[in-house]
Amino acid sequence: SQQGEEDPQALSIQEGENATMNCSYKTSINNLQWYRQNSGRGLVHLILIRSNEREKHSGRLRVTLDTSKKSSSLLITASRAADTASYFCATGGGGSNYKLTFGKGTLLTVNP
Amino acid sequence: DVKVTQSSRYLVKRTGEKVFLECVQDMDHENMFWYRQDPGLGLRLIYFSYDVKMKEKGDIPEGYSVSREKKERFSLILESASTNQTSMYLCACALGGILYEQYFGPGTRLTVT
Repeated sequence: SQQGEEDPQALSIQEGENATMNCSYKTSINNLQWYRQNSGRGLVHLILIRSNEREKHSGRLRVTLDTSKKSSSLLITASRAADTASYFCATGGGGSNYKLTFGKGTLLTVNP
Repeated sequence: DVKVTQSSRYLVKRTGEKVFLECVQDMDHENMFWYRQDPGLGLRLIYFSYDVKMKEKGDIPEGYSVSREKKERFSLILESASTNQTSMYLCACALGGILYEQYFGPGTRLTVT
């Protein structure tokens, strides 16, 4: 399976600090996406990074991808209480043109 | 903005009942997906559809079927609900394949008693 595995499972920080979450996967991918899920709601897409890209930014988000290590990281800078959510990585590729495979998520809590 | 709606936020059904979960998207997207989400297991793909009347099994299709008669609507059917199908069900759509982001509905929390 090429399922992504997020690390850590849970992370608690203070408002204003940076939060880093990691994702590892097992097989070659075409792209990797990060999603956020607020408690009990649907997922919201944050950012997509293709396999030939190494780093991507969107506002306070920075995503890196290291295909040699089969890993990605999501950095949220200057965190806010509203960033409290679960964060999932999803990998695409591996023979399917349609399927994304989601990891189990990292629960981020930002304390005011 | 893409809007994906699901017919119910919460649903309680009895074992053996036939259950329909409806999903409607308003953006003319080709692909639609049904996932279930369980604590400690993340999201798992049940079925997806890449065109009207076309469907493919995902990773955990057993006990489920789907229907896509119109482009905007994708239904998940539990033929005979069982307690192990108690879960959060999430519908999503995407403009294309894996290079495109998926848009999710708010989810249906189904409890089978």
